[in-house]
Amino acid sequence: DQQVKQNSPSLSVQEGRISILNCDYTNSMFDYFLWYKKYPAEGPTFLISISSIKDKNEDGRFTVFLNKSAKHLSLHIVPSQPGDSAVYFCAASASSDSNYQLIWGAGTKLIIKP
Amino acid sequence: EAQVTQNPRYLITVTGKKLTVTCSQNMNHEYMSWYRQDPGLGLRQIYYSMNVEVTDKGDVPEGYKVSRKEKRNFPLILESPSPNQTSLYFCASSPSTGTSYNEQFFGPGTRLTVL
Repeated sequence: DQQVKQNSPSLSVQEGRISILNCDYTNSMFDYFLWYKKYPAEGPTFLISISSIKDKNEDGRFTVFLNKSAKHLSLHIVPSQPGDSAVYFCAASASSDSNYQLIWGAGTKLIIKP
Repeated sequence: EAQVTQNPRYLITVTGKKLTVTCSQNMNHEYMSWYRQDPGLGLRQIYYSMNVEVTDKGDVPEGYKVSRKEKRNFPLILESPSPNQTSLYFCASSPSTGTSYNEQFFGPGTRLTVL
């Protein structure tokens, strides 16, 4: 059973508009969440993270929102640009896990239309 | 340039023929890890290493071996590959063993096909 779920395999957004990527988790022990971005033929690269003590973290055009009661987080990209077209992975971690393991979602492919 | 390198990038092999995928990082990172990525499943951890001579199993270690004889290298060994090990493999490293909160740096991936 997947503990981190990204239910939208793909998302298409007009350039300049807002992109919202969603992620749900089931393990209430998760207390740190990360978003990674992946271009074809490259490895994932870190984008932004959030600790469970916060409900929002912002970095330029990227904002991550965390709703602990709903076990849901979302990544907002405003405005969306063509270079944002990539696969976005959500990952979660529990500080109680002595292995410091990251649990990954299946990814959402974001397509920015010109 | 700080980076994680993997070789080979692409490999087609046959069942049972031992192979090694190399991984090297030049950032002096303590933590290194191997993942496989399969459609609809995201990244799953195979093995990880907290430091030299310290390795441990991840979620899907069956059929794989690793070693960490020096800090920069973390090879992945498939002693007897099988078709269900056809996948995209990523090596990653991180600066601290203390937490996965630290950003992980990924290699470019190795596309393995086992016939």
